[in-house]
Amino acid sequence: RKEVEQDPGPFNVPEGATVAFNCTYSNSASQSFFWYRQDCRKEPKLLMSVYSSGNEDGRFTAQLNRASQYISLLIRDSKLSDSATYLCVVNSDNFNKFYFGSGTKLNVKP
Amino acid sequence: DADVTQTPRNRITKTGKRIMLECSQTKGHDRMYWYRQDPGLGLRLIYYSFDVKDINKGEISDGYSVSRQAQAKFSLSLESAIPNQTALYFCATSEPGQPYEQYFGPGTRLTVT
Repeated sequence: RKEVEQDPGPFNVPEGATVAFNCTYSNSASQSFFWYRQDCRKEPKLLMSVYSSGNEDGRFTAQLNRASQYISLLIRDSKLSDSATYLCVVNSDNFNKFYFGSGTKLNVKP
Repeated sequence: DADVTQTPRNRITKTGKRIMLECSQTKGHDRMYWYRQDPGLGLRLIYYSFDVKDINKGEISDGYSVSRQAQAKFSLSLESAIPNQTALYFCATSEPGQPYEQYFGPGTRLTVT
């Protein structure tokens, strides 16, 4: 079983739409959680960390559900520039390793 | 200038050749990582190093070796390249402690024919 699983998509949404992605992780002892953004053929970049209490950064909201072992990312008022692949990342093994999901592709269309 | 650099950015090589990918960082981080990315599989950890004297295997280390020449430099070698090592390779750095963010280099696209 993969450490981190995501729906690969693609999610095709119009500008202005709200879209949500989920990600599940297998290790209940995982300590830290992140969403990274990756543009085509570029390096991943941190979008936001995910805290137990949930957190918001502008149009982006991340939630963590430890009981069900999933994290979510909500994007409101989608922009064309949000088109990218979103990687769910989990930090485990006493903070020593990062496990990446295969990514969810988002296409925002005019 | 970029904080994490990788050379070469693109490389085509033949089966059986030895090849080295290099990573340098100016962030002053102790922890460095090598990943490969394949379509549909996400990033997979090859090796990681927490300081110059500490090297650890990741989930897919077979066929690869690494060298941590200095805090700022971490090289990945393919001793005898094979076609299924064709992938996008990323180097990353991080520091222990919050926020545990990783910083990635721009990647090396390797093709083994």
